[in-house]
Amino acid sequence: AQSVTQPDIHITVSEGASLELRCNYSYGATPYLFWYVQSPGQGLQLLLKYFSGDTLVQGIKGFEAEFKRSQSSFNLRKPSVHWSDAAEYFCAVGERPSNTGKLIFGQGTTLQVKP
Amino acid sequence: ETGVTQTPRHLVMGMTNKKSLKCEQHLGHNAMYWYKQSAKKPLELMFVYNFKEQTENNSVPSRFSPECPNSSHLFLHLHTLQPEDSALYLCASSPNLGRRSYEQYFGPGTRLTVT
Repeated sequence: AQSVTQPDIHITVSEGASLELRCNYSYGATPYLFWYVQSPGQGLQLLLKYFSGDTLVQGIKGFEAEFKRSQSSFNLRKPSVHWSDAAEYFCAVGERPSNTGKLIFGQGTTLQVKP
Repeated sequence: ETGVTQTPRHLVMGMTNKKSLKCEQHLGHNAMYWYKQSAKKPLELMFVYNFKEQTENNSVPSRFSPECPNSSHLFLHLHTLQPEDSALYLCASSPNLGRRSYEQYFGPGTRLTVT
């Protein structure tokens, strides 16, 4: 069965510092991978997605993620964090091969940004 | 503004009550989803509807009863709930187009408390 692990439950970074959030997945073939963000009191918003092709994908709000098959990882990065980036971040894998829209989420990483 | 609205935003109900959650999407999507978000647990997919037909029931107890009268509206009928059902219930929608089904748009959720 497919699964997603986010090793870090809580991360604190200073504003302006770089950010990397870790995500590991379990799936035998090429996965469909996603990062979603949830701001307080809101639903989830899709940041970026990977289906195939270029392993470095760009998303909204200045985020990027890199798919590394050898490490079964899809880490999220941002070169300079803004205070508005404080939120909870979820990595997800799309269940395949059914393409039913079933997403399997990790437990989430809460990002705190220090001024 | 994500195009997916949910009402009510907050709900407190006793274990013997019957209530309903409503979700509406204005994005022209054909797939809709109910998720449960509990503290310290990954998001759990509950139900999936494609073109008003239920295509996924993730072993959800029968005290949760979904209804999808058309592609724009989704309801979750609740009855005889348990305190452990207290959670944030999120609705989402997506295009029903293969891998695009994973690109989901979420509403802000209904915070449910069962007393």
